[in-house]
Amino acid sequence: DTGVSQDPRHKITKRGQNVTFRCDPISEHNRLYWYRQTLGQGPEFLTYFQNEAQLEKSRLLSDRFSAERPKGSFSTLEIQRTEQGDSAMYLCAPGTNTGELFFGEGSRLTVL
Amino acid sequence: DQQVKQNSPSLSVQEGRISILNCDYTNSMFDYFLWYKKYPAEGPTFLISISSIKDKNEDGRFTVFLNKSAKHLSLHIVPSQPGDSAVYFCAALGWQNTPLVFGKGTRLSVIA
Repeated sequence: DTGVSQDPRHKITKRGQNVTFRCDPISEHNRLYWYRQTLGQGPEFLTYFQNEAQLEKSRLLSDRFSAERPKGSFSTLEIQRTEQGDSAMYLCAPGTNTGELFFGEGSRLTVL
Repeated sequence: DQQVKQNSPSLSVQEGRISILNCDYTNSMFDYFLWYKKYPAEGPTFLISISSIKDKNEDGRFTVFLNKSAKHLSLHIVPSQPGDSAVYFCAALGWQNTPLVFGKGTRLSVIA
């Protein structure tokens, strides 16, 4: 039990469609991070929240990406007009300011 | 540009021997370093960390060494066990709450 539930676990979509991932952390960490991982790479930072405030966004996060954490608990990551390059594992992690992150199992996106 | 580099994509070690995983970093503003372990179909899990004010931190079979002047850290696992077979990610954290930066990972195989 990672303490984080991500849904869906796997999404296959056609190029140009919109997708939304949801992250439900069981723990009560104020910080929640989104990372993306592709084959052969380490996790790459996308964005993070302190409670409901989105404090930082990576330059990887184009304007097609939007993330929310409306009540400071669960979070959503939406990708509009998906491209094949968006295919990756999207990882959610509540965490601490000392870098200890509690990753979920991730949501795998495949864009055809 | 990779700020955290793990130059060995894979490592194979005999059970009972020592495993040494290496990591180099380029950003002198990093002041906290972590190792994560990842099994297939799971998110990364935190393993051990070290602050830049220390040169060694030990937790059971796992020891992390930090050489600030060389911008190098290593993870030692002794004795290695088959259950240690996983991908190991080195990660670094700067001050002022910058997000965790990961290396590409090293796949460790411990052979019985």
